[in-house]
Amino acid sequence: DAGVTQSPTHLIKTRGQHVTLRCSPISGHKSVSWYQQVLGQGPQFIFQYYEKEERGRGNFPDRFSARQFPNYSSELNVNALLLGDSALYLCASSSQGGLAKNIQYFGAGTRLSVL
Amino acid sequence: AQSVAQPEDQVNVAEGNPLTVKCTYSVSGNPYLFWYVQYPNRGLQFLLKYITGDNLVKGSYGFEAEFNKSQTSFHLKKPSALVSDSALYFCAVSSQGGGYQKVTFGTGTKLQVIP
Repeated sequence: DAGVTQSPTHLIKTRGQHVTLRCSPISGHKSVSWYQQVLGQGPQFIFQYYEKEERGRGNFPDRFSARQFPNYSSELNVNALLLGDSALYLCASSSQGGLAKNIQYFGAGTRLSVL
Repeated sequence: AQSVAQPEDQVNVAEGNPLTVKCTYSVSGNPYLFWYVQYPNRGLQFLLKYITGDNLVKGSYGFEAEFNKSQTSFHLKKPSALVSDSALYFCAVSSQGGGYQKVTFGTGTKLQVIP
């Protein structure tokens, strides 16, 4: 069975540009969460979507947005990129909507470099 | 607000020796605690979790963790370290509450097992 897949694996952008990251959850999983992992830090929660609705949002500016499609895949969009947005962006899927108790299955991430 | 502290940036242990990776947490209400492992250029992989019940939790690859409510700790342990255990380890916490709860990760501890 395929795990969580993310695309692209690497991305280089310049300041002010826009980026779209994509994630396909494990088959049957309806919850997708996005995390930002800056080098040397733990993952920081950005969004959770469950059944195509936003269920949680972390402390990130409005430049960050996301959506979930009918097939439960998801996109993370970041506008007006800043140098500080350079990070590994992780997508995680879960079989249940609540994150509190449930195991999350992570993709390998998209490495975004903003120059 | 909930938080996780991993006081050691790096832990070095000789192959065959027991290992401990420390984690303390702060949360309102009953905690749900997780350990994840991250290998280079990979996403996080679930090792084990504590929700309720027995304070000693056994997980994947021979790892276990002990929940200590009075010390608000959830240290990861393994009786005999392998070189292949070398990786980045993250402790995470969430809690039961209204709605959908996010998971907060620590900053990670790099485990180096020396042959």
